[in-house]
Amino acid sequence: GENVEQHPSTLSVQEGDSAVIKCTYSDSASNYFPWYKQELGKRPQLIIDIRSNVGEKKDQRIAVTLNKTAKHFSLHITETQPEDSAVYFCAAAMDTGRRALTFGSGTRLQVQP
Amino acid sequence: GAVVSQHPSWVICKSGTSVKIECRSLDFQATTMFWYRQFPKQSLMLMATSNEGSKATYEQGVEKDKFLINHASLTLSTLTVTSAHPEDSSFYICSAMNRQGHAEAFFGQGTRLTVV
Repeated sequence: GENVEQHPSTLSVQEGDSAVIKCTYSDSASNYFPWYKQELGKRPQLIIDIRSNVGEKKDQRIAVTLNKTAKHFSLHITETQPEDSAVYFCAAAMDTGRRALTFGSGTRLQVQP
Repeated sequence: GAVVSQHPSWVICKSGTSVKIECRSLDFQATTMFWYRQFPKQSLMLMATSNEGSKATYEQGVEKDKFLINHASLTLSTLTVTSAHPEDSSFYICSAMNRQGHAEAFFGQGTRLTVV
């Protein structure tokens, strides 16, 4: 089955700096890679996703890059704000495969004002 | 669209009792639902896959007789934690998949279960 590794486990940045979180996956059949933000006691919220037919996707301050050959994808947050502080999870799955997402271990991001 | 409602949002129960958690897709038909468990400061771990009208598929290490899953309709799946123990205390969260089977997950709000 799929195995997703995520680094770092914790990340502290100053407000306004950029944050980068990296994930690797093992199953070459995976072609859907979402990123979630989870606040304490809440459901994960989808912040951006990418499918394997593109290498990069951007939405305002958030971007995701995908390297299919190396089987890794990254989340980039620019101009970080204190409200970006949360736990971020990457995930991978085979789109239309009726399979559950496999999640990374999570990254706790702390943005210092 | 794609709203999933989970109930209750939190529950406290005594050891040995059973607790039922409901997961409903409000505006679409969910042929497949997934149940995850999340311990504090950990990731979401898949417990089981629930397909409408058929038996659930459990992940390795998850006791099917302890975590009963029923998916009797296209809009409702239930998870019953039977004979709950303190180690079952966790955040349980469901997600639903639409008929097209795309991997995008629509999560319920989650249920914080505390067994005392």
